[in-house]
Amino acid sequence: ELKVEQNPLFLSMQEGKNYTIYCNYSTTSDRLYWYRQDPGKSLESLFVLLSNGAVKQEGRLMASLDTKARLSTLHITAAVHDLSATYFCAVDTNAGKSTFGDGTTLTVKP
Amino acid sequence: DGGITQSPKYLFRKEGQNVTLSCEQNLNHDAMYWYRQDPGQGLRLIYYSQIVNDFQKGDIAEGYSVSREKKESFPLTVTSAQKNPTAFYLCASQRGGLTRNTEAFFGQGTRLTVV
Repeated sequence: ELKVEQNPLFLSMQEGKNYTIYCNYSTTSDRLYWYRQDPGKSLESLFVLLSNGAVKQEGRLMASLDTKARLSTLHITAAVHDLSATYFCAVDTNAGKSTFGDGTTLTVKP
Repeated sequence: DGGITQSPKYLFRKEGQNVTLSCEQNLNHDAMYWYRQDPGQGLRLIYYSQIVNDFQKGDIAEGYSVSREKKESFPLTVTSAQKNPTAFYLCASQRGGLTRNTEAFFGQGTRLTVV
């Protein structure tokens, strides 16, 4: 059974600081997704990572995938308040479904 | 505009009542999914479907049922057997089934409350 673990689960950071969210998974996969959820809202896609060494960047967020270590990271650079949200990673299996991590709730304070 | 639509946005269920949540997509996606999200928690998979007229149980299927008679539609019924149905329900669709290489698109969710 695939297990996906995110850490930290809660993150409070000051504006302007950098931080990294980690996503570890337990079985082989080469498809990993990052999503964002605002309070009371649905999920929106941030990144799709499809191969070992894949790196994607959008604004202050950068995601990477190391399939050998079964690890993905979401790096936040110079955080701003608008990045406050819950971030989920999800890993695909060949069974045709995704398993989600528990989410990391990020709060950016002035 | 292409997208995935869930209705209703809010739903109230009486004890012992079955209710059906609607999910429609016009993205021409093969795969569709239903997730449950409890407050402060992640997503748990209820049912999923890779193709019309076929679906599989997810991790928490007990007390729920689905159908996939059309590619565009994947309704979820919350039956009276589901003892604690109060939650946020999210429907998603994704292209390509087993060969997919794109993200899932989510509906806006249905918030179900037992009264």
